[in-house]
Amino acid sequence: EVQLVESGGDLVQPGGSLRVSCAASGFTVSSDQVSWVRQAPGKGLEWVSVIYSGGSIYHAESVKGRFAISRDHSKNTVYLQMNSLRAEDTAVYYCARTRPGVPGTPGLYMDVWGKGTTVTVSS
Amino acid sequence: DIQMTQSPSSVSASVGDRVTITCRASQGISTWLAWYQQKPGKVPKLLIYGASSLQSGVPSRFSGSGSGTDFTLTISSLQPEDFATYYCQQANSFPPWTFGQGTKVEIK
Repeated sequence: EVQLVESGGDLVQPGGSLRVSCAASGFTVSSDQVSWVRQAPGKGLEWVSVIYSGGSIYHAESVKGRFAISRDHSKNTVYLQMNSLRAEDTAVYYCARTRPGVPGTPGLYMDVWGKGTTVTVSS
Repeated sequence: DIQMTQSPSSVSASVGDRVTITCRASQGISTWLAWYQQKPGKVPKLLIYGASSLQSGVPSRFSGSGSGTDFTLTISSLQPEDFATYYCQQANSFPPWTFGQGTKVEIK
């Protein structure tokens, strides 16, 4: 069974740092794309970052220069390092396997999601 | 960045009703569009990809259509378990990817 389990969410002060993790099972993170998507309390979904199977990385403009996505093949885990945290980064952070709808086509879709981990930025 | 605008923001409907949600992209995205369902306190679920392809296991009462900038999600006969918030997402070739603001389907 394909599964993603996030961990590491916490209460952190503005300006602080936090690393959240996404442990995958049932597939290999180095063979697929994995995205981070966040949802602020009572708000909609916001795509944050993606790491491609080939290693390319993209971040949303709102987190560029502050957040970094990475992966560890040996642990089959994807990470999101978050620095210079702001109150507006408060959200549930989901990781999601991101795959083409049809193999070989460009469109990538988030077909399996973890349950999320909560990050609260507050003094 | 490509902006995605959904309408309506919320809709009240009864069991058995036909419900239609629209999503407009600020520029053409071919058929690189997905629809997700999220129930309160739950994880988003992929319903439709490629604008009209049903994800495995999703009931056939859900359908999607459109291309370019205008897209539609239709629920042909609303069931009690369909009351949720629905999001469109553009999946254009490269990020950033963006979601619509969501449409809440409520019980009338």
